[in-house]
Amino acid sequence: GAGVSQSPSNKVTEKGKDVELRCDPISGHTALYWYRQSLGQGLEFLIYFQGNSAPDKSGLPSDRFSAERTGGSVSTLTIQRTQQEDSAVYLCASSFIGDLRAFFGQGTRLTVV
Amino acid sequence: ELKVEQNPLFLSMQEGKNYTIYCNYSTTSDRLYWYRQDPGKSLESLFVLLSNGAVKQEGRLMASLDTKARLSTLHITAAVHDLSATYFCAVDILRSSGYSTLTFGKGTMLLVSP
Repeated sequence: GAGVSQSPSNKVTEKGKDVELRCDPISGHTALYWYRQSLGQGLEFLIYFQGNSAPDKSGLPSDRFSAERTGGSVSTLTIQRTQQEDSAVYLCASSFIGDLRAFFGQGTRLTVV
Repeated sequence: ELKVEQNPLFLSMQEGKNYTIYCNYSTTSDRLYWYRQDPGKSLESLFVLLSNGAVKQEGRLMASLDTKARLSTLHITAAVHDLSATYFCAVDILRSSGYSTLTFGKGTMLLVSP
């Protein structure tokens, strides 16, 4: 597709379960970002990929969070042993290197019950 | 720690009125972005401001940047209902990793009513 695609769009999971969130960036975009948007909050940076490498993981809130990117394209954000405070909208964005604009996907709304 | 503060966080205005949203940030940056988000939708890029004194306009929206004051404004002229959305400012910051990422404000929810 022409835009950043994220799946699933909605995910309800039980506390303690693991979840995987997928991001399919715009073709050719080498930079990929994950952000988290909680109710009433701004966007919180989680992790940045340059190609398949993640030079900046400083935003990951705990070691339950991890992410990978393969083939310089699709990225997966994994949350292990989910907690209720993980409930949020997880947004992915991509851009060309040196491009000042990042294009965002529609997000995955995660609800931990 | 970089802080990006927007105000107001909620704005209810009548059609035809003018208003300004403010975005203050706490560290040096020459790049500031404004995004729009409609309910349940993703973020749409509105403006990229790259230098002190930069001003950009699109329709009824005009954004400006004062890097010395660390302040950006988003001015709304003669508001219409279609402008109802949440507006975010974001500052491009070089992190200790050597890479730049965006730090966002909490957003301003704008509601324009007849």
